Amino acid sequence: EAQVTQNPRYLITVTGKKLTVTCSQNMNHEYMSWYRQDPGLGLRQIYYSMNVEVTDKGDVPEGYKVSRKEKRNFPLILESPSPNQTSLYFCASSLPGPGTDTQYFGPGTRLTVL
Amino acid sequence: GESVGLHLPTLSVQEGDNSIINCAYSNSASDYFIWYKQESGKGPQFIIDIRSNMDKRQGQRVTVLLNKTVKHLSLQIAATQPGDSAVYFCAEGGSGGFKTIFGAGTRLFVKA
Repeated sequence: EAQVTQNPRYLITVTGKKLTVTCSQNMNHEYMSWYRQDPGLGLRQIYYSMNVEVTDKGDVPEGYKVSRKEKRNFPLILESPSPNQTSLYFCASSLPGPGTDTQYFGPGTRLTVL
Repeated sequence: GESVGLHLPTLSVQEGDNSIINCAYSNSASDYFIWYKQESGKGPQFIIDIRSNMDKRQGQRVTVLLNKTVKHLSLQIAATQPGDSAVYFCAEGGSGGFKTIFGAGTRLFVKA
């Protein structure tokens, strides 16, 4: 089944404790992206990657890192989480780019930073 | 700057009626627009898209209209069903880049 998977689905952590949220897709998509969703703000793009070893900042990249060592995986790293990063996070993937094709979204990761 | 906005945060319709969800965008160079549906506890799901060289596109029970003159697009859902209850997002892509900009979303309630 074609899908985007995220782990963990739920995470409660404390300020400053490094964490990684994994994202994997099995559709051989070149493009992958991370979003955060907050009430009243819709989805805001954090980082995106057009292909392996190619990443770029979205609209809200501060406090986040990403890597794209393999085509199928695009982990989101919070080196020192803070309470304002409490949010619902979505990973997405698509063919060459969102400007040319629809994105497929993962189920989401709900993160709480205390 | 670029923005994609929605006119109404919530919309309530009677089952069987048609629904219209509106969206405004500000970047006149945008050339690709997408509507997503997000059900509670799930990620956004593609509904329909339209490119800037089109005014209208139809899918199964859904139609997207694009008015480039006033930078407005709408999603029309025919014979709205309880399963259509969700939050609907319009999104803008293209413009020569790879970013996607989402609107804040409209929550659709379907009354039985």
